Amino acid sequence: NAGVTQTPKFRVLKTGQSMTLLCAQDMNHEYMYWYRQDPGMGLRLIHYSVGEGTTAKGEVPDGYNVSRLKKQNFLLGLESAAPSQTSVYFCASSYFTVFRKARGATSDGYTFGSGTRLTVV
Amino acid sequence: ILNVEQSPQSLHVQEGDSTNFTCSFPSSNFYALHWYRWETAKSPEALFVMTLNGDEKKKGRISATLNTKEGYSYLYIKGSQPEDSATYLCAPTNTGFQKLVFGTGTRLLVSP
Repeated sequence: NAGVTQTPKFRVLKTGQSMTLLCAQDMNHEYMYWYRQDPGMGLRLIHYSVGEGTTAKGEVPDGYNVSRLKKQNFLLGLESAAPSQTSVYFCASSYFTVFRKARGATSDGYTFGSGTRLTVV
Repeated sequence: ILNVEQSPQSLHVQEGDSTNFTCSFPSSNFYALHWYRWETAKSPEALFVMTLNGDEKKKGRISATLNTKEGYSYLYIKGSQPEDSATYLCAPTNTGFQKLVFGTGTRLLVSP
């Protein structure tokens, strides 16, 4: 099992260029997420998806677009890259879980990809 | 957006020491809290998912407790080993599904 695979692992872009980050999971997870990691800050949610064909904005969505045409893939697009988008990007996936408080958690948590280090110059 | 605080920011202990970290979060509308271990050059790995007040989870030498009424969770490591060196993240959610808000983590260094 590959788990969650992100491509590419590294990329350098010039300001104004566009690119797409690909996230693929083979665990049949319903939910998928894109986070960015910046020094001194926690992982911040960019966009997420609760199922094929659906996407929603997270905490820091500006400058990014996403698509989930297939359940196993979640694409993150940068239409016009800016230096402020220099970051490490993590994709994650998880099962849909209905938390039944009387019984406790039924989730195994998120499975993360290995990250994409993006530099915009 | 939830305000999540983790303390301490970093910790340096000797092999064999026991240690603990704190995650604080708003107690209102609590739904679940995750703990992750993040080793350098790797991706975060799920440790625990907790939902019930008073929950206590254990995995080997690592355990966690949850107090939803006062808004905190503790992570304990008994007899720290160098391989425990990592950043430990907590991530609560106050929504009905897993839309987590991550803290900045506690960086643990265990020296032999």
